[in-house]
Amino acid sequence: SQQGEEDPQALSIQEGENATMNCSYKTSINNLQWYRQNSGRGLVHLILIRSNEREKHSGRLRVTLDTSKKSSSLLITASRAADTASYFCATVKAAGNKLTFGGGTRVLVKP
Amino acid sequence: DVKVTQSSRYLVKRTGEKVFLECVQDMDHENMFWYRQDPGLGLRLIYFSYDVKMKEKGDIPEGYSVSREKKERFSLILESASTNQTSMYLCASSPHRTIEQYFGPGTRLTVT
Repeated sequence: SQQGEEDPQALSIQEGENATMNCSYKTSINNLQWYRQNSGRGLVHLILIRSNEREKHSGRLRVTLDTSKKSSSLLITASRAADTASYFCATVKAAGNKLTFGGGTRVLVKP
Repeated sequence: DVKVTQSSRYLVKRTGEKVFLECVQDMDHENMFWYRQDPGLGLRLIYFSYDVKMKEKGDIPEGYSVSREKKERFSLILESASTNQTSMYLCASSPHRTIEQYFGPGTRLTVT
């Protein structure tokens, strides 16, 4: 079963708007990572947040982690058409040694 | 720049054929991974390797085997391809198994 579940499954926004997607997970984690996948390509690592961190930023990306709710959110500010992609969260369990990926959120940014 | 390459972007094979998918990384990473990706299911780990000649089963190893004879190369083998192995196969590498992974472009395999 999937450790991470993204919500929503799909998102359509206008260029310039913000995009927010969420990831919920079931067991305690060591860290949570977000990846982007452009259509038919490999995944690209975006950001890693550790279980003792609450928020991280990278450029136009903001990730939050709430371990009490077992959830994380990825915010993309001032979206661009090039942000059109699928976004996946992946978790490493507290005593784990591998990533477990969720099903992804498909984001469409309309110009 | 980090680079992970996969031998084919698209592959069509017949049921029962033996299939080899090759992955090469140039980052001297200890860890390499094979995933398959299916719509709505995300990525599922098939096998990973943490050193030359070492391997561990992932979540869905049935019907697959792997080989890692050299540090930079990790091969996925479908002993007898079946139609339910039609999928996108993604290889990744990482200096440590719990941090960021670097992915290849993927191989879309169709078994007919």
